[in-house]
Amino acid sequence: SAVISQKPSRDICQRGTSLTIQCQVDSQVTMMFWYRQQPGQSLTLIATANQGSEATYESGFVIDKFPISRPNLTFSTLTVSNMSPEDSSIYLCSVYRVSNTEAFFGQGTRLTVV
Amino acid sequence: KQEVTQIPAALSVPEGENLVLNCSFTDSAIYNLQWFRQDPGKGLTSLLLIQSSQREQTSGRLNASLDKSSGRSTLYIAASQPGDSATYLCAVKFTPVGAAGNKLTFGGGTRVLVKP
Repeated sequence: SAVISQKPSRDICQRGTSLTIQCQVDSQVTMMFWYRQQPGQSLTLIATANQGSEATYESGFVIDKFPISRPNLTFSTLTVSNMSPEDSSIYLCSVYRVSNTEAFFGQGTRLTVV
Repeated sequence: KQEVTQIPAALSVPEGENLVLNCSFTDSAIYNLQWFRQDPGKGLTSLLLIQSSQREQTSGRLNASLDKSSGRSTLYIAASQPGDSATYLCAVKFTPVGAAGNKLTFGGGTRVLVKP
């Protein structure tokens, strides 16, 4: 299994501010995925981050709100910008150890916006 | 639209009883299906991965079956224990695989409580 470290594990933020979430993987991976899990809901993909190219966003998610960096094959960040209480969710990063096989997830970042 | 559904949303059983968790998907063109466990406020732990060419996978007390033609997967947990209490999520990777097909589509999950 892949070891994925996410930071911070949780945070409470003021509305209007931004939070950057880090995801570090113990081996090189081509694609990294960012998901959101709103309270009581299942997971929804925000975007796919490939090293050396712009992230690909799913419908309903935009780069201005969720900018993503992917500087190398083991690391990615997701920023939640200009936060509102509706952004309170668990944010998770995910990778495939080998292309298109088993998916692994970080422990998640629990964000509360007040 | 490709969707994944899990019914029931919640399940409570006495310790020792077998658990049967259901997952259905709307499109039989799947690449693989994965079952996860999620503890409250935590990330996801992968339990079993079934490739589209497989009918079932087993790991310890867990067994997952896949029937593409009927669009269903079932996760069986034998002799349940209080430590099995968690939310179980089913996720499907639909074909075609590639730039548009690498994401997982998740069901809503089944929240399981195993009572001592």
